[in-house]
Amino acid sequence: DVKVTQSSRYLVKRTGEKVFLECVQDMDHENMFWYRQDPGLGLRLIYFSYDVKMKEKGDIPEGYSVSREKKERFSLILESASTNQTSMYLCASSPGIVRGMLETQYFGPGTRLLVL
Amino acid sequence: KQEVTQIPAALSVPEGENLVLNCSFTDSAIYNLQWFRQDPGKGLTSLLLIQSSQREQTSGRLNASLDKSSGRSTLYIAASQPGDSATYLCAVGMNYGGSQGNLIFGKGTKLSVKP
Repeated sequence: DVKVTQSSRYLVKRTGEKVFLECVQDMDHENMFWYRQDPGLGLRLIYFSYDVKMKEKGDIPEGYSVSREKKERFSLILESASTNQTSMYLCASSPGIVRGMLETQYFGPGTRLLVL
Repeated sequence: KQEVTQIPAALSVPEGENLVLNCSFTDSAIYNLQWFRQDPGKGLTSLLLIQSSQREQTSGRLNASLDKSSGRSTLYIAASQPGDSATYLCAVGMNYGGSQGNLIFGKGTKLSVKP
């Protein structure tokens, strides 16, 4: 079974703090993704990576950065946390396109972040 | 820009009823369409994946159809059970530039099945 783990289920931080959210997958997947999920807005893609040290902006990258130093690990960084970054953060991984078919994404359990 | 819409936003049914959840999308140039389930406070679990060349997929009591030309998909749940209560998300797989396929999500249908 594919396993995607996230470092914390719940996190409380202060405005202005630097926040690291870690995601690890154990299936040697090429692609990894960070989403945030908010009521009424659904899931929105923040950043994704299709290879080590590669990163691409998603729909809402402002205020975030990412790091992918190893294939299995994809980190989301909030450089200076703000209250509007209070949200549920979901990480996902995927093998991408295999034999011409786009494979599904496997999601972690999520991190609920509260910024005070 | 691809937009994915799910109707209804919420649905409450008595146990045993058959039900249909709807998903529509604006751009038919998709790789695939997926249905996910999300329990409260949890991550997403993939239920069914329909490739763009396929018309439907079945898994147990679930059947998903895809009509790419009209930009529609339905998720049919037979003989609903209280354990089916969750939010169901529809997502279309797209190819953006050099990406390896990104998902565009609808906002979900929150299903409640009453005993």
